[in-house]
Amino acid sequence: DAGVTQSPTHLIKTRGQQVTLRCSPISGHKSVSWYQQVLGQGPQFIFQYYEKEERGRGNFPDRFSARQFPNYSSELNVNALLLGDSALYLCASSLEGLLAGQETQYFGPGTRLLVL
Amino acid sequence: DQQVKQNSPSLSVQEGRISILNCDYTNSMFDYFLWYKKYPAEGPTFLISISSIKDKNEDGRFTVFLNKSAKHLSLHIVPSQPGDSAVYFCAASAGNTGKLIFGQGTTLQVKP
Repeated sequence: DAGVTQSPTHLIKTRGQQVTLRCSPISGHKSVSWYQQVLGQGPQFIFQYYEKEERGRGNFPDRFSARQFPNYSSELNVNALLLGDSALYLCASSLEGLLAGQETQYFGPGTRLLVL
Repeated sequence: DQQVKQNSPSLSVQEGRISILNCDYTNSMFDYFLWYKKYPAEGPTFLISISSIKDKNEDGRFTVFLNKSAKHLSLHIVPSQPGDSAVYFCAASAGNTGKLIFGQGTTLQVKP
């Protein structure tokens, strides 16, 4: 079975632009979470979605938004890009998200975003 | 406010010996803990997890220990292999929240 897939793998944008990142979860997984990892730090939680509904949001500005589709894939959008948005963006999938309590999240390879 | 801390940025061990990676946390509501391994240019790979109702979980060469009173967990790798060289992250979650809180990571180098 395929794992979590993300596209694109790399992206270069300029300040002020907008970007959309895509994620497909493991088959059968209904929950998708997004994380941002900057160099030298651990991943930081941005959003979690389950059954197309937002279940959790981290401490990120409103420039960050996401959505989940009926096939459980997800998009992360970032508007008005800043230099500080340069990071590795990770998508993780899990079976049921919040509803199952303790649950392992499985990560995709990430999208590396560089903002110039 | 760093709720999950990995105080050792790096660790170097000889092949065949034990690697011990440590993690401390401050939030007593955390009830599920995970370890991930990350190679450059890849996403984190799940290794092993432990629920707060247990104090030990084993999976092959990997064992995770949880000391709730000390708010401390550790990952033991025995025997260590050169292919284990990577960045290791501990992560924690609380109750019915879906978000994982990660430590800063520890870079493990296993020398042949």
